[in-house]
Amino acid sequence: ILNVEQSPQSLHVQEGDSTNFTCSFPSSNFYALHWYRWETAKSPEALFVMTLNGDEKKKGRISATLNTKEGYSYLYIKGSQPEDSATYLCAFSAGAGGTSYGKLTFGQGTILTVHP
Amino acid sequence: DAGVTQSPTHLIKTRGQHVTLRCSPISGHKSVSWYQQVLGQGPQFIFQYYEKEERGRGNFPDRFSARQFPNYSSELNVNALLLGDSALYLCASSLAGRGSNTGELFFGEGSRLTVL
Repeated sequence: ILNVEQSPQSLHVQEGDSTNFTCSFPSSNFYALHWYRWETAKSPEALFVMTLNGDEKKKGRISATLNTKEGYSYLYIKGSQPEDSATYLCAFSAGAGGTSYGKLTFGQGTILTVHP
Repeated sequence: DAGVTQSPTHLIKTRGQHVTLRCSPISGHKSVSWYQQVLGQGPQFIFQYYEKEERGRGNFPDRFSARQFPNYSSELNVNALLLGDSALYLCASSLAGRGSNTGELFFGEGSRLTVL
């Protein structure tokens, strides 16, 4: 049974603060690690898909790192803004090849609230 | 371009009834996956279909079934509804297969099912 854990479960920060979340996942049979942002009443939106150990990806003020050997990924948000308030989900994909696509094991998410 | 569309957006059923949820993927996407999201948890994988064939099934009872049509749209059927089936059902499409290397999922906004 795959187990993907995210911490913290929820986080309240002030506008301008920088913050980070953790995602831990099985280190065996690794294929890809996804990060999604899910705003209330909207659909989850992909932030990053990471496949290589040591990968670092950045999109604006948001960045992510990946360590497949020890089974963790960090998501960083620099200078948080109220519009960053959302649930951040990580998801693990095992195996290789076409059959792994679309089959993700999600963590329970980190709920971020950024106060003005 | 239209994103992933799901219908209905909300529905209420009673125990024992059945329900059909529908999903239209992004044009060109041949893979469709279904996820169940219960409040406080991450999405749980139910099915993946690719080129009209079932490619993966999560840990759900046989009351859950799905199919994919020649135009790549998909239906999720749930029979003999239980109170515990109340959840948000998410559909996601992806560019799985030849020519795709990320497995990034594109989600619809979901169908909110309430079972009374």
